[in-house]
Parts: sequence; C-alpha cells; structure tokens
Amino acid sequence: QVTLRESGPALVKPTQTLTLTCTFSGFSLSTSGMCVSWIRQPPGKALEWLARIDWDDDKYYSTSLKTRLTISKDTSKNQVVLTMTNMDPVDTATYYCARKPSLVGAYDTWGQGTLVTVSS
Amino acid sequence: DIQMTQSPSSLSASVGDRVTITCRASQSISSYLNWYQQKPGKAPKLLIYAASSLQSGVPSRFSGSGSGTDFTLTISSLQPEDFATYYCQQSYSTPPYSFGQGTKLEIK
Repeated sequence: QVTLRESGPALVKPTQTLTLTCTFSGFSLSTSGMCVSWIRQPPGKALEWLARIDWDDDKYYSTSLKTRLTISKDTSKNQVVLTMTNMDPVDTATYYCARKPSLVGAYDTWGQGTLVTVSS
Repeated sequence: DIQMTQSPSSLSASVGDRVTITCRASQSISSYLNWYQQKPGKAPKLLIYAASSLQSGVPSRFSGSGSGTDFTLTISSLQPEDFATYYCQQSYSTPPYSFGQGTKLEIK
C-alpha cells in the first residue's frame, strides 16, 4: 500500500524558513521514473504546483517561487524535504506531497496535507 | 509557463444529469492532461490521466477526452458522491506543471 504523510510546523512567523517533510511507504524513490512533488492550496483557492524531485535527483521548481524553494530527498529514510524561505502570510496554505510513478504520468497518490499558517 | 483555464468555474446540476467540464491549455500539451476530484477537507483524487485513461477504481461514468489544447471531463450520470471540485492539471514535458482554477460542482 502506497502512503505519503506530510509533517512540519503548523505555524510560522513572517520571514522565517519553513521546512516540511514528506515520509512515504510502499514505493522507492530510487525506482526509475519515480517522482515526488509538493503542491499547495491556500484556503478556498486552487491547487498550486511547487516542486518535483526525481529518482535520479533531478529537481524542478515553480517559476514564481524557485528562488525560495529547495527540494531534497533521503532515499534511505523514504523522505522528501521541502524548504521555503522568507515566509509571508500569503503562503498560508495546506501543503501536500504526492507521488508520480512515471515521467509521463499523473499524481496517483497524495498525502493528507498539512496546514501551515504564517502569522506573527 | 503553460496556463490552464477551466470552465465553468461553478456548475449546478441534479442527480442523474450529464455534466461536462472544459479545460484549455495556453499551448499544445498533446495528451498530458489529468483530472482530479477534491472534496472539502480532503486531498485531491486522481480520476483521469493522459486525457482519457480511467484511473483504477474510478467509476466508468467518468470519462475524459481531448488533445492539444482542449480537453473535457464528462460525468455521464451524476451521483450524490460526485458533488465536489474538479481540477485539470498538465504534465507536459519538464516542469513547472500547472493546475486549472477548479470547477465546483454543486447540487441544484
């Protein structure tokens, strides 16, 4: 059974750096073609794609956020980590991690999401 | 970046209705188009991938079509559990990827 679970702080202050961890099971991120992404959703708004890391350690970022994002993986721990610097109240959102089992596929399994509120 | 535009933004329909949601890409994305269903407080669920392939376990009343820039999601006979928000998403070439703004399907 494939599962993903997001973890991290529920509240961060403006200008702080957010670190989120996606812990997964049921698959390996060293399998050819496997990818994990981060996607967020502000309250009442649409989904926004943030970043992707591939089995071969290729990394991709949102054009508008790429200067603030870093994605990394620890294959031995089955974890993907996203850091976002200089947090702002507009970054308040539910952050999801999701699995994409091939380079040409879709996100077939998602975590439950974690709500991050940015407030002083 | 590729922009995705869904229409309508919201839709009221009755149980048993046939419903169509449209998604348009700002450039050709071949068939790299996926559809998700999201219910309040829940993560999105994959319905359709590669424009027209039904994800395992998804009822056959859901179907997708299109290629290039224009795509549709059709629900042939609405069921009570289908009232939700639907998103399209392009996965063409290398990222960044993008989602449509969503279509909220409500009970009439």
